[in-house]
Amino acid sequence: AQTVTQSQPEMSVQEAETVTLSCTYDTSESDYYLFWYKQPPSRQMILVIRQEAYKQQNATENRFSVNFQKAAKSFSLKISDSQLGDAAMYFCAYSSSGTYKYIFGTGTRLKVLA
Amino acid sequence: EADIYQTPRYLVIGTGKKITLECSQTMGHDKMYWYQQDPGMELHLIHYSYGVNSTEKGDLSSESTVSRIRTEHFPLTLESARPSHTSQYLCASTPSRQETQYFGPGTRLLVL
Repeated sequence: AQTVTQSQPEMSVQEAETVTLSCTYDTSESDYYLFWYKQPPSRQMILVIRQEAYKQQNATENRFSVNFQKAAKSFSLKISDSQLGDAAMYFCAYSSSGTYKYIFGTGTRLKVLA
Repeated sequence: EADIYQTPRYLVIGTGKKITLECSQTMGHDKMYWYQQDPGMELHLIHYSYGVNSTEKGDLSSESTVSRIRTEHFPLTLESARPSHTSQYLCASTPSRQETQYFGPGTRLLVL
């Protein structure tokens, strides 16, 4: 069975600094997707970034980038130039291509210090 | 960008009441999901649907039921609410040929 592990329940970062959130996963599939979702306090869950497993190039979205290590089954999220609005719960998620199922990690709460 | 709506946003009810949580999406997505999430915790899949008249139970045992009579509408019903049902319920949808999930704002349920 597939699993997703986020080993950092909480992280803090100073405003304007860089922080990296860790995520590891386990699967025997070769074709899958990985996601980072952001859930601000009392607000809607939104997609931050996604990575297709067949792509070797790491995905980037403005200040957000991932370090995708397929062999190591690692998928970390780097947030550069952290802003107060980045404070939220961040969930790593996995989905096999063509299936219904999404596996979410337990989340990392990110605090941004002014 | 998908538009997914959930009503009510907040609900406080007494034990034994029947409730229906509404979820609608306007993008014509085939797949829809219900998750249960305690505050600050992980998401647990309770129901999903591939399309009209297709519903399945998820990984987390739930006393709720769902229906999918129209593509855009995926309501969740609790026949007899209990305090253990107190949680946040998130609805999500996915286009049939895309893997990204789009989430609604959630319904926070408190059963007294």
